[in-house]
Formats: sequence, structure tokens, C-alpha cells
Amino acid sequence: KQEVTQIPAALSVPEGENLVLNCSFTDSAIYNLQWFRQDPGKGLTSLLLIQSSQREQTSGRLNASLDKSSGRSTLYIAASQPGDSATYLCAGRGGTDKLIFGTGTRLQVFP
Amino acid sequence: EAGVAQSPRYKIIEKRQSVAFWCNPISGHATLYWYQQILGQGPKLLIQFQNNGVVDDSQLPKDRFSAERLKGVDSTLKIQPAKLEDSAVYLCASSRSGTAYEQYFGPGTRLTVT
Repeated sequence: KQEVTQIPAALSVPEGENLVLNCSFTDSAIYNLQWFRQDPGKGLTSLLLIQSSQREQTSGRLNASLDKSSGRSTLYIAASQPGDSATYLCAGRGGTDKLIFGTGTRLQVFP
Repeated sequence: EAGVAQSPRYKIIEKRQSVAFWCNPISGHATLYWYQQILGQGPKLLIQFQNNGVVDDSQLPKDRFSAERLKGVDSTLKIQPAKLEDSAVYLCASSRSGTAYEQYFGPGTRLTVT
């Protein structure tokens, strides 16, 4: 049974810092891993999708990596801004298309 | 391209009442998902449709929850009767068929059961 863990649960950083969010999964037989952003009271916005055959994906200031052998994914945010404040969720996708979510990292970037 | 639409956005009901949520997926997306997100947790899949058919409903409390997807497009999720522990955000998502595609989420319906 797939379990997804995210560390840290919460993070508060000053504007401009580069930061890394961690995601661990127990079953390496995943098809892909998706990172989402969730603002308070809102739905989920897809940030990056990494296929199992890929090692990383980049979009603007975001870079996500995937290491199936170690069961880990990281989301790197460069030059953080107050607008990056949100909860970040990772989710692994198995053979049934089901996404298994972590509990998220709540990020606050202060000016 | 229009996103996933959901309604209502908010609903407050008393326990033992019934409630229904509606979802309209992105055009052309054959797969539709309903998730339940309890405060402080990640979303949990309740049911997955492929066109009209149910692919996975293993975590749907079938004694009180039901869902349908008529004509392979819109979907409704119903709770009857509601319990206090059903208070959560109900998220609808859709994707193209196949594991390679992203899931896109709607804004969710926040349900409060008093």
C-alpha cells in the first residue's frame, strides 16, 4: 500500500531564499509524481508532473526531481516570493490512476 | 480551455440531511475523480470514473455516499444521510485517459455538517 510523506509540515522563510520541499513514497512502482499548490479555501493547482522515466522537470523558478530507487521527490523553489505562500502537496500515481497524496508542506514566505 | 467546474462552492447542512455536489470536467477528459479533503490532510480518492463506468470506489462509504456520471460528462456526488465527520472539502478532478496525464482539479465544495 502506497504511503506518501512530506517533510517539513510547515516552513517559514524570508523572501529571496532558495528552498527545498521533500516528498517520500513507500512503493517505488509509481507511474509518475505530481506536485500541487493549494491556496487557502481553493482547489489544487498542478505545478509539475514527473513521469517515472524522467528524473526532473522545470517550470520557471520551480524544479522537481524524482528518484524512484530511493522513493523520494524534491521540489526546489528558487528566489522565493511572498506570493509563493501556500500549501504544497505531492502525489504519487500508481497503476490504477489513483493519486496518493501526502499531507502537504505549509509554506510562508515573509517580506 | 475552461477548467473543472464545481457547485455549490459552500454548503452547510444539519446531520442526517442529504446533500448533492455537481462537477463538470474539462472537455474531452474521459476520467473523472471525486476526492475528499479533511482539514489538515491531503485529498483522499472516493471514486474514479472512466467515461460512464466506475474504475475504483474502494474508499467510498457506500452506505451513505453515491455518485454517478451520466453520459460520461457531468457527475454528481450525493451524501445521504450526512454525518458530522463528513465535514470536508469535496474536490472533483479530471484527466485524459492513461497514467501519463495530469489531473486537473476544480475549486472544491466546502461542506459543513452541524
